[in-house]
Amino acid sequence: GAVVSQHPSWVICKSGTSVKIECRSLDFQATTMFWYRQFPKQSLMLMATSNEGSKATYEQGVEKDKFLINHASLTLSTLTVTSAHPEDSSFYICSAIGAGSSTDTQYFGPGTRLTVL
Amino acid sequence: RKEVEQDPGPFNVPEGATVAFNCTYSNSASQSFFWYRQDCRKEPKLLMSVYSSGNEDGRFTAQLNRASQYISLLIRDSKLSDSATYLCVSLGGSGTYKYIFGTGTRLKVLA
Repeated sequence: GAVVSQHPSWVICKSGTSVKIECRSLDFQATTMFWYRQFPKQSLMLMATSNEGSKATYEQGVEKDKFLINHASLTLSTLTVTSAHPEDSSFYICSAIGAGSSTDTQYFGPGTRLTVL
Repeated sequence: RKEVEQDPGPFNVPEGATVAFNCTYSNSASQSFFWYRQDCRKEPKLLMSVYSSGNEDGRFTAQLNRASQYISLLIRDSKLSDSATYLCVSLGGSGTYKYIFGTGTRLKVLA
């Protein structure tokens, strides 16, 4: 149980284009999802917290107009990197907490590797 | 100062060795702690939660020292398959589910 999927697993795009990444909880409902970014040899950095049906909460330094997050259902959150540039190339990982969960364990998706040319 | 700090390593140890990692945290309000394992180019996977009383899962033992604000992970009888990066995670203060990750400690078990 507690499986989280991400799509696509990798994407290569041209500078200036937008890329959408999907995060789905497959066998549970997730009221809260998180989006992280990880650069090579660095740790995961939380970008934003996404709650179903409400606006995402962004961490300091993360541009909300560049990284659009939509959490329209209890099983799906999307991250759109708008006008991507080479410095946005990174490993993007989502995680989810189950609705009504009594624990604080986050379940991670397999990640999406974004390369912007 | 980073909120969660780890020695990045790498730790190169022979098969069968015992190895220990420490992690310090700065937020005294943090309530929960975890050790995650991350293989190269993969997502983190939960290894174990860390309790004040200490907990053991097979060859892995985790300890929490609230007075000194550090967490430890001990791996006994290291296997080649233990080679990975071990991430220390602190759950932010009360009322939040935010994870704060350390930079990770890289372990390489050698044959």
